Amino acid sequence: ETVLTQSPGTLSLSPGERATLSCRASQSVDSYYLAWYQQKPGQSPRLLIYAASTRANGVPDRFSGSGSGTDFILTISRLEPEDFVVYYCQHYGDKRWTFGQGTKVEIK
Amino acid sequence: EVQLMESGGGLIQPGGSLRLSCAASGFAVTHYSISWVRQAPGKGLECVSTLYGEGDTYFADSVKGRVTISRDTSNNTVFLQINSLRAEDTAMYYCARVYGHNWFDSWGQGTLVIVSS
Repeated sequence: ETVLTQSPGTLSLSPGERATLSCRASQSVDSYYLAWYQQKPGQSPRLLIYAASTRANGVPDRFSGSGSGTDFILTISRLEPEDFVVYYCQHYGDKRWTFGQGTKVEIK
Repeated sequence: EVQLMESGGGLIQPGGSLRLSCAASGFAVTHYSISWVRQAPGKGLECVSTLYGEGDTYFADSVKGRVTISRDTSNNTVFLQINSLRAEDTAMYYCARVYGHNWFDSWGQGTLVIVSS
């Protein structure tokens, strides 16, 4: 089973700054099966990025994904107030779906 | 418009059973896989079960042997039956549509299950 480890657990930044969130897989994975989600308080998760680097419908272009092998990155180029929430990476492989433990982006 | 709506959660005693429903609209559940993803209070996400469009199933180790997943195609609804409920099953349960076998592209609003005496 592939384990996804996200870092940092909490990222403290100011509006307008750049956020870099990491997702590391315990073994090399096909980037096609790597996705990112955003979850606001009291809401269900929302698909942001799929296939490691493709933005889902309606996702602002300040969100971008990159990476391959074991290391993947979600970048938010300029943080808006509504971006200070929790983000999860997710992988499908070996007929199972696994999530990272999440990164919370908080206002510094 | 794709929509998913869960129901059936509630307060249940340990050892009890519950059937959760996920009513889908805007697409046919036979054309997509549907997963149940749960989130314990203040915790992360866990995919506990999936019903593939072609009918195959997946169960996480944490629920294997206690859970069944099924669908009613006439009502375009997917069900999750959880037996022998434990305190650690307490969570918000979301149903989500799976794109291909890969990522979750649409989510319901969730239904809360609390297992407590």
